[in-house]
Amino acid sequence: EPEVTQTPSHQVTQMGQEVILHCVPISNHLYFYWYRQILGQKVEFLVSFYNNEISEKSEIFDDQFSVERPDGSNFTLKIRSTKLEDSAMYFCASKGGRAWNEQFFGPGTRLTVL
Amino acid sequence: GQQVMQIPQYQHVQEGEDFTTYCNSSTTLSNIQWYKQRPGGHPVFLIQLVKSGEVKKQKRLTFQFGEAKKNSSLHITATQTTDVGTYFCAGDNYGQNFVFGPGTRLSVLP
Repeated sequence: EPEVTQTPSHQVTQMGQEVILHCVPISNHLYFYWYRQILGQKVEFLVSFYNNEISEKSEIFDDQFSVERPDGSNFTLKIRSTKLEDSAMYFCASKGGRAWNEQFFGPGTRLTVL
Repeated sequence: GQQVMQIPQYQHVQEGEDFTTYCNSSTTLSNIQWYKQRPGGHPVFLIQLVKSGEVKKQKRLTFQFGEAKKNSSLHITATQTTDVGTYFCAGDNYGQNFVFGPGTRLSVLP
């Protein structure tokens, strides 16, 4: 069964450093998402991406965040200058072409900012 | 902005008891999805409800979408230890992204 993959599974970084989180969505999907989940809390929407551009973003997704789809398979989230409060689990998700398809989540990347 | 609330926050049940979690949105939804997240895992899609008053069943799970399309519920009959996890609703108000509720964490005591 196709699945969303994410690397690395765990990233530890120093405050102020840049990190890039990697995702490979399901191959025929058209909508891509990043979410974050602070430990024990709810899943928070960060950004959605469709047709090679951001379609929606939340207040969390400020100028320190950016997304790219550099080729036909990868979908990356970059945090330019990490802060302690960026420590969280980051989930990538994708869904197919129909507007109401289910989202498939990846296993997540746990980001720890020291 | 749109807010999605869920109650209860936590629920502890004995195995075999029933469980219900309720989801309420501050705005009318085009559809609602339910996800389950096992401890240490990622959200896994359970179901999507689209129509006003819709009821769907998956084995011991029953999902309802309110008539006004602002609330939803998930009911589990005769819980099992495999039902342990956090259940999230996620509402879409005609945009392209979903707003997740805070989740209900279910513990099942054997």
